[in-house]
Amino acid sequence: RKEVEQDPGPFNVPEGATVAFNCTYSNSASQSFFWYRQDCRKEPKLLMSVYSSGNEDGRFTAQLNRASQYISLLIRDSKLSDSATYLCVVPPGGSQGNLIFGKGTKLSVKP
Amino acid sequence: NAGVTQTPKFQVLKTGQSMTLQCAQDMNHEYMSWYRQDPGMGLRLIHYSVGAGITDQGEVPNGYNVSRSTTEDFPLRLLSAAPSQTSVYFCASSRSYRAPYEQYFGPGTRLTVT
Repeated sequence: RKEVEQDPGPFNVPEGATVAFNCTYSNSASQSFFWYRQDCRKEPKLLMSVYSSGNEDGRFTAQLNRASQYISLLIRDSKLSDSATYLCVVPPGGSQGNLIFGKGTKLSVKP
Repeated sequence: NAGVTQTPKFQVLKTGQSMTLQCAQDMNHEYMSWYRQDPGMGLRLIHYSVGAGITDQGEVPNGYNVSRSTTEDFPLRLLSAAPSQTSVYFCASSRSYRAPYEQYFGPGTRLTVT
């Protein structure tokens, strides 16, 4: 299994839809996880951190399943402005080291 | 508080030329890193630094040099540009090299080597 794997998409959804992305990781020792958002031709920006079982912020919910080694991002009531690429980020095992970035899942929300 | 800044935003080089991409952060972050991003390849780590005076290689270091003489600055030098180095380069920093450590990215430099 690759260190971090994401479905590249694109996911094309209508406004108002609920969409979910999964990300699998290989290192069972990884503790904290991140979802980043990257708009076209822009830098990645932190969207959410996931330190335990999950995290919710408005329309966005991130969940962690340690047993199956995956994290998910759920977006409810999709907006046009949610169109972006979503990067799954996993630290290496242990207490320090370079973050490992997935290649991203592209989301396109249509009117 | 400007965060992470990068210059230039765009650059065109001829094969064999050298140049330095500048990166600075004003958040007193311990950890800084350089990535390149190519279509279908995701972000790949070039070099990183865990503090002033300390640098190390990432996944794709060949053809690049770095130095970290101050906490704030982390320039990336291309020694002899090649077309394979055409890419978007991002500098990033984080408070610490120890978890948890969200990274903050600069706006990027788009480099074309002809």
